[in-house]
Amino acid sequence: KAGVTQTPRYLIKTRGQQVTLSCSPISGHRSVSWYQQTPGQGLQFLFEYFSETQRNKGNFPGRFSGRQFSNSRSEMNVSTLELGDSALYLCASSLWPPMGGADTEAFFGQGTRLTVV
Amino acid sequence: QKEVEQNSGPLSVPEGAIASLNCTYSDRGSQSFFWYRQYSGKSPELIMSIYSNGDKEDGRFTAQLNKASQYVSLLIRDSQPSDSATYLCAVNGGNQFYFGTGTSLTVIP
Repeated sequence: KAGVTQTPRYLIKTRGQQVTLSCSPISGHRSVSWYQQTPGQGLQFLFEYFSETQRNKGNFPGRFSGRQFSNSRSEMNVSTLELGDSALYLCASSLWPPMGGADTEAFFGQGTRLTVV
Repeated sequence: QKEVEQNSGPLSVPEGAIASLNCTYSDRGSQSFFWYRQYSGKSPELIMSIYSNGDKEDGRFTAQLNKASQYVSLLIRDSQPSDSATYLCAVNGGNQFYFGTGTSLTVIP
């Protein structure tokens, strides 16, 4: 069973540009969450999608956006990049609705490391 | 505001010792609890999940849950240098996961 796939693995962008990151969840998983991880801030929740709808959103500016497609694949977009957006962006998928305890487990992709210069 | 608190460490233990990692959470209605291991530069890897009060053992790892005290812990027996990593506690609060900031563990050979 394939895991969560994130592409690309590495990106270097210039301030002011925009970037799109992709996440393909585990087959059958319909919930996709995105996180930003920086050394000093830990895992920061960006947003969560289920059935093409954003259900939860973290405390990030509107430059961060996302969407989910009918096949559960998700993309996140960051516009007008700033140096502070340099981070590891992680996607996690989980089964929803959960029918039991183990169904609530979330699995992470390898992440996309974004560097803004 | 649902919160998950962990001691950031660093925690250092000698090889072969027991490492004890602790986590508290604020939402009394939480039902699912997880421990992730994250090596430097890598993504978090799920190593334990626990849903009911008591202990759950998997190899050298034991997760302990006490819902009355809103407390989750992870014990690593016979610690190995390969266990050196950051351990993240996570709580599933409906359709969102809440993560602690992680505890850095170093196992000294």
